[in-house]
Amino acid sequence: DTEVTQTPKHLVMGMTNKKSLKCEQHMGHRAMYWYKQKAKKPPELMFVYSYEKLSINESVPSRFSPECPNSSLLNLHLHALQPEDSALYLCASSQIRVIRGHQPQHFGDGTRLSIL
Amino acid sequence: KQEVTQIPAALSVPEGENLVLNCSFTDSAIYNLQWFRQDPGKGLTSLLLIQSSQREQTSGRLNASLDKSSGRSTLYIAASQPGDSATYLCAVSKLSQGGSEKLVFGKGTKLTVNP
Repeated sequence: DTEVTQTPKHLVMGMTNKKSLKCEQHMGHRAMYWYKQKAKKPPELMFVYSYEKLSINESVPSRFSPECPNSSLLNLHLHALQPEDSALYLCASSQIRVIRGHQPQHFGDGTRLSIL
Repeated sequence: KQEVTQIPAALSVPEGENLVLNCSFTDSAIYNLQWFRQDPGKGLTSLLLIQSSQREQTSGRLNASLDKSSGRSTLYIAASQPGDSATYLCAVSKLSQGGSEKLVFGKGTKLTVNP
């Protein structure tokens, strides 16, 4: 069991569908992340939110739209995806480095997304 | 641009062996280095985190070292067990705007421990 919960675990959608991935954590972390992981590849950072504000967008196409409605929730809205967007989407959270200290990022189990 | 390399890409050992996984990175200006474990179809579990000012961290049968100046880290697993079979990922971090961390991952080492 992980402390970062992602839903759904699996999602199959057509290229014209609109769907959302959800991520939730109750550890009081104020930084939340979306990663994309293709098969047999390492995770690649997509977005970072700090204090519910988007702080990093790694040049992700606009068909992916992140949202952080509160400090515990992170969504990824999907629209008009392409087959090459099929991947495992991982959410993570961590402390904000207000003082000098190091905490690991905590990852969820991911949503496996398949685009038909 | 930071690049992280892990060697070997795959490793198969008999149960009970001690083993070493290697990680190298090109930019030594890192905030910390983490070793993760990933089981098939699952997320990442953080195993060890080494701050940039530290040289090693230990947790149970795991020991990770960091030589920031040479851009190298090793993960040592003692007395390996079949349950250790997984992909091990090394990631280096930099602090970003707002105090969050940007992780760059290696491609991982797939470890198989045979009973």
